[in-house]
Amino acid sequence: EAGVTQFPSHSVIEKGQTVTLRCDPISGHDNLYWYRRVMGKEIKFLLHFVKESKQDESGMPNNRFLAERTGGTYSTLKVQPAELEDSGVYFCASSRSSYYGYTFGSGTRLTVV
Amino acid sequence: AQKITQTQPGMFVQEKEAVTLDCTYDTSDPSYGLFWYKQPSSGEMIFLIYQGSYDQQNATEGRYSLNFQKARKSANLVISASQLGDSAMYFCAMREDAGGTSYGKLTFGQGTILTVHP
Repeated sequence: EAGVTQFPSHSVIEKGQTVTLRCDPISGHDNLYWYRRVMGKEIKFLLHFVKESKQDESGMPNNRFLAERTGGTYSTLKVQPAELEDSGVYFCASSRSSYYGYTFGSGTRLTVV
Repeated sequence: AQKITQTQPGMFVQEKEAVTLDCTYDTSDPSYGLFWYKQPSSGEMIFLIYQGSYDQQNATEGRYSLNFQKARKSANLVISASQLGDSAMYFCAMREDAGGTSYGKLTFGQGTILTVHP
């Protein structure tokens, strides 16, 4: 079974630009999660999709972040406009069950300069 | 208050020795799950072991075991017979089931960097 795929693996953008991160979950996994780790801090939950619906977006930092999940398959996380504090590693995870079995991707390292 | 606390920023262990990575948690939910993930330098988060709050026995997966002490709210990871490839960052995480329902949201600790010496 293919794992969770995230791309790009790295992105360097200037402050004020837009960046879109993509996550391809494991096929058949209805649950999809986004997390972020800012340098030196804990990994923080951003949001949770069940199929194409947002179950919980309580961790989204502000309205510059927009997440979508097209047809319950892949998901995108857009940051517009990017700020310096958005730099960090963005992880995506997927699972069949909401209780366990979360498989993480390798993350996208975002650097805003 | 921190929900997940990993008090050891870094740990060192000799190859083939056992090592314990500490994790304490704080929750008022009777139903929850505890996870350990390994993050090598390549960046991916690798699932190691899971313990449910109602599980009577400590979880084990190969060389990994979870020392679950519910009354003390601790969930320490024990790695036996350390290998050089165990050098990585280790994260403890908790899933809380508010009202008995899980939505899968994980809360992570700060992580512990483990270095295995030959």
